[in-house]
Amino acid sequence: AQSVTQLGSHVSVSEGALVLLRCNYSSSVPPYLFWYVQYPNQGLQLLLKYTSAATLVKGINGFEAEFKKSETSFHLTKPSAHMSDAAEYFCAVSESYGGSQGNLIFGKGTKLSVKP
Amino acid sequence: DAMVIQNPRYQVTQFGKPVTLSCSQTLNHNVMYWYQQKSSQAPKLLFHYYDKDFNNEADTPDNFQSRRPNTSFCFLDIRSPGLGDAAMYLCATTRAGRSGDSYEQYFGPGTRLTVT
Repeated sequence: AQSVTQLGSHVSVSEGALVLLRCNYSSSVPPYLFWYVQYPNQGLQLLLKYTSAATLVKGINGFEAEFKKSETSFHLTKPSAHMSDAAEYFCAVSESYGGSQGNLIFGKGTKLSVKP
Repeated sequence: DAMVIQNPRYQVTQFGKPVTLSCSQTLNHNVMYWYQQKSSQAPKLLFHYYDKDFNNEADTPDNFQSRRPNTSFCFLDIRSPGLGDAAMYLCATTRAGRSGDSYEQYFGPGTRLTVT
């Protein structure tokens, strides 16, 4: 069964510092991978996705993620944090077979805090 | 803009009083999902419709039902809400079944349900 592990339920960075949110997945087949962001009392917004094209994926708001098959990782980075980046971030992998094809398996989420 | 709409954004119901949450979409996606999300947790899939086919998750309580009268609308019915059903309910859509589909899900803003 596919699964997603997000290391660190809470990450705190200073404004202007590098943001690194970690995500590891397990999948027996090449996966589709996603990062979503959720602001308080809102739905999830897609930041970026990996669908077996370029391994370095650029998303919205200056975020990017690199797919590393050898490490089964899909870490999310942003060179310089902004106060508006404070939110919860979810990594997800898409089920790739059978009747659950397309269903998302979510990690537990990482709450990002940005200090002034 | 094409989007996923959820009404109402906030719903208060009494213990045991049936409640219906609604979701509509203008994306013409063939798959619609309902998630339950409790505080500081990842969304939990309740069920989804693949076209007209209803797919219930094994651990979704019988208290939760869904209807999809047409492609654009989907409803979540909670027959007898308990205090433990207080949560954010998220609707999402995707297009699946065609070559090139990447299964990214588009989320609505959610309905926050309070049970008194």
